[in-house]
Amino acid sequence: DAKTTQPNSMESNEEEPVHLPCNHSTISGTDYIHWYRQLPSQGPEYVIHGLTSNVNNRMASLAIAEDRKSSTLILHRATLRDAAVYYCIRGGGSNYKLTFGKGTLLTVNP
Amino acid sequence: EPEVTQTPSHQVTQMGQEVILRCVPISNHLYFYWYRQILGQKVEFLVSFYNNEISEKSEIFDDQFSVERPDGSNFTLKIRSTKLEDSAMYFCASRGGPYSGETQYFGPGTRLLVL
Repeated sequence: DAKTTQPNSMESNEEEPVHLPCNHSTISGTDYIHWYRQLPSQGPEYVIHGLTSNVNNRMASLAIAEDRKSSTLILHRATLRDAAVYYCIRGGGSNYKLTFGKGTLLTVNP
Repeated sequence: EPEVTQTPSHQVTQMGQEVILRCVPISNHLYFYWYRQILGQKVEFLVSFYNNEISEKSEIFDDQFSVERPDGSNFTLKIRSTKLEDSAMYFCASRGGPYSGETQYFGPGTRLLVL
């Protein structure tokens, strides 16, 4: 059980921002929120993670709701190479294993 | 940038044969994982490994599977007698430290096809 809820798919246009939502209403106080993505025929790739505060890195931004029950991954300018399945994963579980759900399939239109 | 590497990239084997999938985790990482992804399905956890022993394994990881870190750099997954349903992408991952904010880094995967 991934314990997160994401839309099955989203679509965006190239060079436009994309906001990928995730609900994790039962998250515990110590669980981080991790985002990974998987491009076709590749392994999962780390995108970003956070605990309470919003986070920025070179790939994306992560906005975490004040109650931590939801978060949003923001790609500021989508490119065709951002087309992938995006996974929102809470915590690391015991032994910090990652429990993947189905994720959100992001399609980027030229 | 350090990365996890896996060999071979593709492996085709006959049902009942043994296969060994190899991974070189990121140097200085302490926690190692195997995951698999059957075509069109979710990425599934198989096993975690720390301090030279299995720390957790899933129901999938039955006694046909074993893991080993034979020489301090490689991390291997062995399937003793492959079944058709073992056909999948197998991903190795590693992480540096023990707290839940640590990132796991994944390799590119080995595509295993059992005929």
